[in-house]
Amino acid sequence: DAGVTQSPTHLIKTRGQHVTLRCSPISGHKSVSWYQQVLGQGPQFIFQYYEKEERGRGNFPDRFSARQFPNYSSELNVNALLLGDSALYLCASSFGQPSTGELFFGEGSRLTVL
Amino acid sequence: SQQGEEDPQALSIQEGENATMNCSYKTSINNLQWYRQNSGRGLVHLILIRSNEREKHSGRLRVTLDTSKKSSSLLITASRAADTASYFCATDDNKGGGNKLTFGTGTQLKVEL
Repeated sequence: DAGVTQSPTHLIKTRGQHVTLRCSPISGHKSVSWYQQVLGQGPQFIFQYYEKEERGRGNFPDRFSARQFPNYSSELNVNALLLGDSALYLCASSFGQPSTGELFFGEGSRLTVL
Repeated sequence: SQQGEEDPQALSIQEGENATMNCSYKTSINNLQWYRQNSGRGLVHLILIRSNEREKHSGRLRVTLDTSKKSSSLLITASRAADTASYFCATDDNKGGGNKLTFGTGTQLKVEL
């Protein structure tokens, strides 16, 4: 079975641009979460979607937005990119709410902002 | 912000030795999980321990949880070079505003031949 897939794997943007990152969860999983991992730190929670509804939002500015589609795939959008947005963006899926068990992570999208 | 902190930040051992990593957290939790990450790639779930459990085993892994001290430890026995990775603890506090995992700062483990 396919795991969590993310695209693109790497991308380079300049300050002020916007970016869209995509995630396909494991088949049958209804919850998708997004995390930002800055080099040398642990992942930080950005959003969680469950059954296409936002169920949680971390401490990130409104430049960050996300949505979940009827097929449970998800997009993370970041507008007006800043240098500090350079990070590995991780998507994770789970069947139910993350508190019920483990998260399954994709390999991430590495964003570099110049 | 990071919920917890792992200790030590970095650990270097010889193959065959045991590796112990500690995690401290700040708020009450529903469960605590440990994840492994190879060199900037995705995280892989290792083990979950619920707040009413004190110890759990999975293969060469042993996890303890002390909710009174708000701390957990991960023991990897008979380590192998392939265990070289970063290890993170993550807590689920189930506070209002949706469920989320809060990760610690990680321990970089290097297992040398």
